Amino acid sequence: DARVTQTPRHKVTEMGQEVTMRCQPILGHNTVFWYRQTMMQGLELLAYFRNRAPLDDSGMPKDRFSAEMPDATLATLKIQPSEPRDSAVYFCASGLGGRGRSYEQYFGPGTRLTVT
Amino acid sequence: GDSVTQTEGPVTLPERAALTLNCTYQSSYSTFLFWYVQYLNKEPELLLKSSENQETDSRGFQASPIKSDSSFHLEKPSVQLSDSAVYYCALRDLANDYKLSFGAGTTVTVRA
Repeated sequence: DARVTQTPRHKVTEMGQEVTMRCQPILGHNTVFWYRQTMMQGLELLAYFRNRAPLDDSGMPKDRFSAEMPDATLATLKIQPSEPRDSAVYFCASGLGGRGRSYEQYFGPGTRLTVT
Repeated sequence: GDSVTQTEGPVTLPERAALTLNCTYQSSYSTFLFWYVQYLNKEPELLLKSSENQETDSRGFQASPIKSDSSFHLEKPSVQLSDSAVYYCALRDLANDYKLSFGAGTTVTVRA
């Protein structure tokens, strides 16, 4: 049963520290998405990739957030420096896009980030 | 741009009651439509998906896209306690690349 995996599952850090979240998409999927979920804002799209190339990162605060895909099996989301308002659950999702595909996304279990 | 509008929540109903969650969308293009469900402290998971004019069902839930009024309502004739969750309607618009547009979500609580 193929699944998206994310590490760490929980992270507590102090304001100003760097945070790195990792995601392993489902093998064979060519699109990867990063979302943030809070009670106030709901589910927000931060960035996404197709075939490892960034397509849209307009949802990310550019000064502190960065997203990369070093290879097809790893996507990373970094926050530097972290702030208390970054506290949220960060989800990675992957999907298979292309002609004839339906583009559904499959979510990982999330990283629950708390910045104190 | 895309817009997905869902039933405003929260929705509370007794076990074995019928559930209908409304979803309407605005899109000028062919669409793929989805319902996701998110249980407490879990990730959103795909409940069902549909392309045009194709009814689909999963776990007792059904949804049928109606192009004439741009709707994709979710229905279940008899809910269980385990159906308590947040339900998201989502749209993939062919003009919108690979992204999904999610509705705001509807919190459903089933009471004994």
